[in-house]
Amino acid sequence: LAKTTQPISMDSYEGQEVNITCSHNNIATNDYITWYQQFPSQGPRFIIQGYKTKVTNEVASLFIPADRKSSTLSLPRVSLSDTAVYYCLVGYDTGKLIFGQGTTLQVKP
Amino acid sequence: SAVISQKPSRDICQRGTSLTIQCQVDSQVTMMFWYRQQPGQSLTLIATANQGSEATYESGFVIDKFPISRPNLTFSTLTVSNMSPEDSSIYLCSVEAKDAGYGYTFGSGTRLTVV
Repeated sequence: LAKTTQPISMDSYEGQEVNITCSHNNIATNDYITWYQQFPSQGPRFIIQGYKTKVTNEVASLFIPADRKSSTLSLPRVSLSDTAVYYCLVGYDTGKLIFGQGTTLQVKP
Repeated sequence: SAVISQKPSRDICQRGTSLTIQCQVDSQVTMMFWYRQQPGQSLTLIATANQGSEATYESGFVIDKFPISRPNLTFSTLTVSNMSPEDSSIYLCSVEAKDAGYGYTFGSGTRLTVV
């Protein structure tokens, strides 16, 4: 299973776009890239998943370059309620999710 | 995606006792997963539970300490046995979301404090 590296913490202000980059140099051919969000006292919540290029849904975009050795989660116009821990996971879809330390995003007014 | 109900949401237990955590899913699922999240830490997979077979435990977790039941396709329990303060954590269950591209759904967790 591919190891991921992401920043421990990030600060932003309301209304800004936030980009969190995750490195996964040993990603395998079958691996997907998935991001989860976790608020205090809650379980992680699925945000977005992708394999290559760009994926967009109603809450975020995921950018994956051609070599797939990294990926960037983009959160448009964050609000205070986006303050949470964001996890980047890489692996084949088996349910055996390996969570790294995550990125704690603090959104300030 | 699947809706998971986890009980209890929190508990404070005496050391040496055991606590059974329940996970109920609103749809039938093949595999259910149990995770532990220690204070301020990330999630660690404890075991995978398939209906009708023994659970598969990850390195560092054993059946005697964390027995798991999976009596049907919508329900599972995790027992934390002979508890010590080091077992104080949040325990979460997870299942695959049925809709393609939605990853895995997690319960809200059970916050366990052992005193």
